[in-house]
Parts: sequence; structure tokens; C-alpha cells
Amino acid sequence: DTGVSQDPRHKITKRGQNVTFRCDPISEHNRLYWYRQTLGQGPEFLTYFQNEAQLEKSRLLSDRFSAERPKGSFSTLEIQRTEQGDSAMYLCASSLQDEQFFGPGTRLTVL
Amino acid sequence: QKEVEQNSGPLSVPEGAIASLNCTYSDRVSQSFFWYRQYSGKSPELIMSIYSNGDKEDGRFTAQLNKASQYVSLLIRDSQPSDSATYLCAAYSNYQLIWGAGTKLIIKP
Repeated sequence: DTGVSQDPRHKITKRGQNVTFRCDPISEHNRLYWYRQTLGQGPEFLTYFQNEAQLEKSRLLSDRFSAERPKGSFSTLEIQRTEQGDSAMYLCASSLQDEQFFGPGTRLTVL
Repeated sequence: QKEVEQNSGPLSVPEGAIASLNCTYSDRVSQSFFWYRQYSGKSPELIMSIYSNGDKEDGRFTAQLNKASQYVSLLIRDSQPSDSATYLCAAYSNYQLIWGAGTKLIIKP
């Protein structure tokens, strides 16, 4: 399978714990995006990488969220001190230009 | 006004009929538009992209862009029960996609 992959697919954690998600983009894609989606809403942009450089980050994004793409390939998204409001589907997408292709997502539940 | 707006539905269409989904956008987004299909509990799947005024056809799907009226539409011909899903309209702006909330489409056998 040469699509975008994400790990884990599901994560249940207790409030206050840290979590980390991984995304592996389509191999030739230099652009990588993270979005968050809650029920009944469209995805909400979190951050964008071109190669290893983080070029955009949502102003709405708390300092508890951090993302990296150290070698311009896979990316990680870390949420520190999770809150119940962080419960959502976290989506990763990659692209060469405008068309973005999504991975299966990581569903986070914060108890 | 939100940057990208859609009617949340649900839109119910008989099997075999044409489903018409609409999306309006503001001046704050760019002129690249995308339709994604999302099944419940799954991630969005790209169906169509459209960049210029007029129609773009791909199989049973036709995307239409009208820049003067600032709307984008998606037509699905010969609707099948498997087309039942939420359809998300998105506009490309500053490296990110700006999304509508999606229209839930139900195809009735």
C-alpha cells in the first residue's frame, strides 16, 4: 500500500497524559499536513510542513501541541497534558501540489 | 460569512437519480476547489478537483465552478447506495484546505 499511513489508529488516554502520533506520507510527497476533525465538522487545519520545515501553524493551536518532521519524511504530532477537549480524529495528509491525500486518521479519546 | 459554506443536509435522493451538492465560498479563499467523500468513521477521500470556470467530468461525477457567483457544485449521476456519505467541499488557501462542514447524502434504494 503506497498511501498515507498513520499510527496508532486509536488511542485512549487519561487527562493529563502525553500522546504522540505518527504519519508516513506518500513517498514522493514533500508537503505534509495535520488536521483535526470532530463530529459533524469539517477538518480543522493544525500545521503544514514542506520537507522538514514547518511553514504554517494554526493560531488556534495550543502550545501543548507540537509537530516535527525531522528528515522530511515521516512526521510526529505530540499533545502534552491532554484535555477532554482534545478528543477528536487527527488526520494527516500529504501532497505534491494542491491535491491533498489523507491517511486513515488516529482517533483520540481523552477520559 | 464563513469562508466555505455547505448545507448540512441530509439530502435524500432516490437510487439512479442525480444528486446535486452545493458549496459557496468567500473572497478570502483561493480559486482551487476540491470535493471529498467521507464515510462515517473514515477519513476524507478526494473525488474531484476544479480550478477553472465551467464543468469537469470524471465518470459519474461532475464538478462545476462559477467564480462570478462564488459557488462550486458536485453532481453525481446514477446515484448508488454506496454513494451515501458526507461530501466535503474544500478551498485551497495558504497551503491549507479551508473546509465546509459537509453535506450528508443518503441514497434510497
